[in-house]
Amino acid sequence: DVKVTQSSRYLVKRTGEKVFLECVQDMDHENMFWYRQDPGLGLRLIYFSYDVKMKEKGDIPEGYSVSREKKERFSLILESASTNQTSMYLCASRRSNQPQHFGDGTRLSIL
Amino acid sequence: DQQVKQNSPSLSVQEGRISILNCDYTNSMFDYFLWYKKYPAEGPTFLISISSIKDKNEDGRFTVFLNKSAKHLSLHIVPSQPGDSAVYFCAAPPNNQGGKLIFGQGTELSVKP
Repeated sequence: DVKVTQSSRYLVKRTGEKVFLECVQDMDHENMFWYRQDPGLGLRLIYFSYDVKMKEKGDIPEGYSVSREKKERFSLILESASTNQTSMYLCASRRSNQPQHFGDGTRLSIL
Repeated sequence: DQQVKQNSPSLSVQEGRISILNCDYTNSMFDYFLWYKKYPAEGPTFLISISSIKDKNEDGRFTVFLNKSAKHLSLHIVPSQPGDSAVYFCAAPPNNQGGKLIFGQGTELSVKP
């Protein structure tokens, strides 16, 4: 069974801090994704990666960056956290031509 | 520009009845669609999918219908059970874009005993 693990379920940070959200998958999937979920907006793609050290911008990349140094790990970085980045963050991974598998999410609050 | 739209934020259904969740899309190039189900405090889980070469796909109590001319798909749950209460998202992958998905806004289904 595919396991996508996000390092924190809940996180509280302050405005201006640099924030790291970590995601690890155990199925050797090529593709990994970061979304945020907000009420009334569904899931919106921030960044994705189709291989180690490769990254592509999603629909809302502003204020975020990512890192994929190893195949199993995909990190989302908030360079300088702002209150409008308070959200539920969801990581997903997939093998080619298969559905995405999601982690349980990190609820991030920026004060 | 919302390419995948779920116009009903919520739906309430009696246990045992049919639940119908709707989804519209604007891009006629979309050729594959997925439904995900999400419980609170959990990540979305894949439920069912349909390719544009079909107009129906069935898996147990869940059936997805696709009307390409209307750019509309629907998820039918029969019979609905209280455990089906969750948020349902439809999604579509833009072609040749590395597996990314475009999601609708979601519909929260409540199945009452």
